[in-house]
Amino acid sequence: SQLAEENSWALSVHEGESVTVNCSYKTSITALQWYRQKSGKGPAQLILIRSNERDNRNGRLRATLDTSSQSSSLSITATRCEDTAVYFCATERTGGYKVVFGSGTRLLVSP
Amino acid sequence: NAGVIQTPRHKVTGKGQEATLWCEPISGHSAVFWYRQTIVQGLEFLTYFRNQAPIDDSGMPKERFSAQMPNQSHSTLKIQSTQPQDSAVYLCASSLAGGSSYEQYFGPGTRLTVL
Repeated sequence: SQLAEENSWALSVHEGESVTVNCSYKTSITALQWYRQKSGKGPAQLILIRSNERDNRNGRLRATLDTSSQSSSLSITATRCEDTAVYFCATERTGGYKVVFGSGTRLLVSP
Repeated sequence: NAGVIQTPRHKVTGKGQEATLWCEPISGHSAVFWYRQTIVQGLEFLTYFRNQAPIDDSGMPKERFSAQMPNQSHSTLKIQSTQPQDSAVYLCASSLAGGSSYEQYFGPGTRLTVL
């Protein structure tokens, strides 16, 4: 079973709406990262949130981390069509080096 | 900074042929990772180099897959006797160090198609 896994296979919203992607993980971690992958490109990091942080923001993006429930969320406000992509959470066991990616949530933002 | 460079972007091989994929990591990054991405399996870890030394190849299918990093400016992934099930996008990533505290910078990937 995956070390980290997004809770939804796919989500669909209209432009301007907000959306949240959720992720659960299975071990103590140093940090958790959120990546976005657009069609034909490699993943690109959006936000990194460390285990001693509860909240981190980057423009329209907000990531939260709840170590007690071993879960994280990525929220996107005022979505745009160009936010259409696959969103991954990724992490590793504390002290490890191998980052494991979830299966991804496919987000479609339509006009 | 051109980012992580991968060549070729697309490669088509016949069953049984060899395929060599190239990766040029970002200068100054000590960690280099190779991943394989398919619709069914998602993003799978293949192998990891630190300061050019192979650290973990636990994700590499045995016998036909091999990876090298002869110098700090490039790494290669070689697949011998390619099979249709090897068809995938192969992604290379580099970072300042391993672990989730460091951002991984991915290349655009090489799409391998085995006929």
